[in-house]
Amino acid sequence: DAGVIQSPRHEVTEMGQEVTLRCKPISGHDYLFWYRQTMMRGLELLIYFNNNVPIDDSGMPEDRFSAKMPNASFSTLKIQPSEPRDSAVYFCASSWNTEAFFGQGTRLTVV
Amino acid sequence: GENVEQHPSTLSVQEGDSAVIKCTYSDSASNYFPWYKQELGKRPQLIIDIRSNVGEKKDQRIAVTLNKTAKHFSLHITETQPEDSAVYFCAASIGGGTASKLTFGTGTRLQVTL
Repeated sequence: DAGVIQSPRHEVTEMGQEVTLRCKPISGHDYLFWYRQTMMRGLELLIYFNNNVPIDDSGMPEDRFSAKMPNASFSTLKIQPSEPRDSAVYFCASSWNTEAFFGQGTRLTVV
Repeated sequence: GENVEQHPSTLSVQEGDSAVIKCTYSDSASNYFPWYKQELGKRPQLIIDIRSNVGEKKDQRIAVTLNKTAKHFSLHITETQPEDSAVYFCAASIGGGTASKLTFGTGTRLQVTL
């Protein structure tokens, strides 16, 4: 297995534009997490899914953020409209039992 | 919700010395405590974890201790090497022993000097 795959690796967009981040979890994992990492706030859990169902989205900062998991092998995190303060590294992680495996992350820069 | 505090935020040790990073958690229901290492520009990766029914766990040069009564746990790295330089994150989960909802500490930047 290639691990958790995220795309794109880097994204630069203008303020106000829609941004979609993608994640392919490890096959067989039933949990999927979206994290945001910044210098100021560290690693923050945004939302997580269990068996494709959103369980807790209390970490989603605003209505501008939304996440979907249409099937067990794909998830998206969308920001619309994007703002400069959304600039961060966004990690997707998946888990089956205990260990959470992280993807390489998407570095988002909103200018 | 769970709150995890981590200290120190930065730690510099000489090669061969030991390093200790400490974390406290707030929710007594937490029962799974992993530690992640993140090298510059890379993803966090699990290095060791401990469940609440164990007080100590060791894996070569790294060990983790857990004090459930005091709600704190620590990472110990002995005989540090330059490749140990990274940011280390502790985490706690109340997901029934799974990684269902990890709350991370703010991280400790460890620098091992020659």
